[in-house]
Formats: sequence, C-alpha cells, structure tokens
Amino acid sequence: ILNVEQSPQSLHVQEGDSTNFTCSFPSSNFYALHWYRWETAKSPEALFVMTLNGDEKKKGRISATLNTKEGYSYLYIKGSQPEDSATYLCASLAGANNLFFGTGTRLTVIP
Amino acid sequence: KAGVTQTPRYLIKTRGQQVTLSCSPISGHRSVSWYQQTPGQGLQFLFEYFSETQRNKGNFPGRFSGRQFSNSRSEMNVSTLELGDSALYLCASTGLAGSTGELFFGEGSRLTVL
Repeated sequence: ILNVEQSPQSLHVQEGDSTNFTCSFPSSNFYALHWYRWETAKSPEALFVMTLNGDEKKKGRISATLNTKEGYSYLYIKGSQPEDSATYLCASLAGANNLFFGTGTRLTVIP
Repeated sequence: KAGVTQTPRYLIKTRGQQVTLSCSPISGHRSVSWYQQTPGQGLQFLFEYFSETQRNKGNFPGRFSGRQFSNSRSEMNVSTLELGDSALYLCASTGLAGSTGELFFGEGSRLTVL
C-alpha cells in the first residue's frame, strides 16, 4: 500500500484568487502521478498524467508540476472561478499496475 | 463515444446478502479497475482486469471478487455483505494495460447495506 497524502483537506477561496495544493507520495519506484477533478454527482475526470521529474503540464487556468526525487506534485489554479469548485484527487503509480489515491482536496470557490 | 457505464446506480441490501455490480468500459478499452470510496477515505483499489485476467488485487477480503468477460465488461461481487461495505463503488477503464494512462471513470454504484 502506497501512502499518498494531499493537503490541505479543504479550502475556500474567493472568485478570482489563485490557489494551489500539494500531493506527496513515496519517491521510490515511481512510475506516474495522476491528477483528477471530481465534481459533486459526477465521475472523476483526468486532468494530468505526469511521469518525468520536473514535468509541468497546463490545461487552461490549471497547471501542475512534478518532483519525483522529493516525492511531491503541486496543482495550481489561476483566477479561480465558481465552476472550479470540486474535489481534486491525486494518485501515484509505483511498481505494480494500480494507482493509490490520496483523500483529495475539496475546493470551494466563493462568488 | 459512450463513456463508462455502471449499473445499478443505487441499491440497498441487508447484511448477509450478496450483490453484483456491472461495469461497461469505453469501447476498445481492455483494462477495467474497481475502486471503493467510503466517507473520509480516498479511493481504495479493489482489483484490475485486463483481457479477462485479474492483473492486480488490492487489500480487500475474499468476499470481494470480480471477473471480466470477453467483451471487456466487468462485474464485481460482494458476498455476505457487512454494514461497512456501504460505499460508492467506481469502475474505470483505460486503453493501456496498467495505469500509466489516464483512467476514465463511471458515475459509480452507491451501495447501502442495512
């Protein structure tokens, strides 16, 4: 079992603010790091799959970075909008072919 | 193209009963994995199937089992239900063997055990 930790557990931001959250994972035997966005009453949707140390990916106002040597990834949201309100999950793949998920960061963007 | 379909979406069972959940992956996807989510817990990996073979299994008791058919549809079964089995069960498919590719999730089956 892989220990994947996300922080903070939840946060509230004002519309227009930028925010970021952290995913920590064991750096040994690392294969890939996934980020998912999960809106209430919907299914989780993939944001990024990252494999290389130093990788940076961007999708619109959302971006992510990866540090495999120290075992962390940051997710950034620029200019948060109410539609960004969701739970953001990260998951780490190490060795075997299954993902271990963190408990998520629940983001609420206040209009 | 159609997404991942899970049935039933909601169900209520009593302790001791058994339940079967179904998952139809995206057409062409051969890998199907199952996850359990309970309040306060992250998604817990149950098992993964690829081409009708179980490739990986999580840390769940033998009451949890699954299978995959030749058309890649998958079922999971939970026997002798316990109250703690109440959860949202998600399945996900991917076109790649294993989890290096992104997962496409269904909307889940919410099981309540009374």
